[in-house]
Amino acid sequence: KQEVTQIPAALSVPEGENLVLNCSFTDSAIYNLQWFRQDPGKGLTSLLLIQSSQREQTSGRLNASLDKSSGRSTLYIAASQPGDSATYLCAVRREGGGSNYKLTFGKGTLLTVNP
Amino acid sequence: DAGVIQSPRHEVTEMGQEVTLRCKPISGHDYLFWYRQTMMRGLELLIYFNNNVPIDDSGMPEDRFSAKMPNASFSTLKIQPSEPRDSAVYFCASSPGTGYSNQPQHFGDGTRLSIL
Repeated sequence: KQEVTQIPAALSVPEGENLVLNCSFTDSAIYNLQWFRQDPGKGLTSLLLIQSSQREQTSGRLNASLDKSSGRSTLYIAASQPGDSATYLCAVRREGGGSNYKLTFGKGTLLTVNP
Repeated sequence: DAGVIQSPRHEVTEMGQEVTLRCKPISGHDYLFWYRQTMMRGLELLIYFNNNVPIDDSGMPEDRFSAKMPNASFSTLKIQPSEPRDSAVYFCASSPGTGYSNQPQHFGDGTRLSIL
């Protein structure tokens, strides 16, 4: 059974700092990995999706890496801003593609960026 | 373009009552997902549909839970009878079809359910 762990559970940083969020998964037979952002009282917004054959994806100040063989992913946020404060979740989709859409989520990292 | 729409946003009811949660997916999306989020267990997939057909319901916790998708633009998740331990935030999400299998899922804002 796939298990996804995110460390740390919470992180508080001053504005402008670069930071890294970690995600690990127990079964490396994944199809892709996604990073989501969740604001209080809201649903999840997809930030980055990395296919199993890729090593990293970038979007603006965000960079996500994937090391499938070791079961690890990181989300790097450059020059953090108070608006980045949210819970960040990673999710893995099991191998098989096609109709095999089951996502397994970590419990998230609560990020607070202080002005 | 409208996102995934869920109703109600909040529901408070007494134990034993029937609860119905509703979801309208993004137009043209072939996949619809129901999730439950709690502090203890995080976000868990309950069931998902492809072209209105249930594909995987292994996450549905008990027979008290049922989900239907009568057409491409509407789905319901029903709990009958409800219990306090069903209190959680329930999310609906949708995604394009298999030709777009690396597209992310789009989430609604959720229904916060409290069973007293």
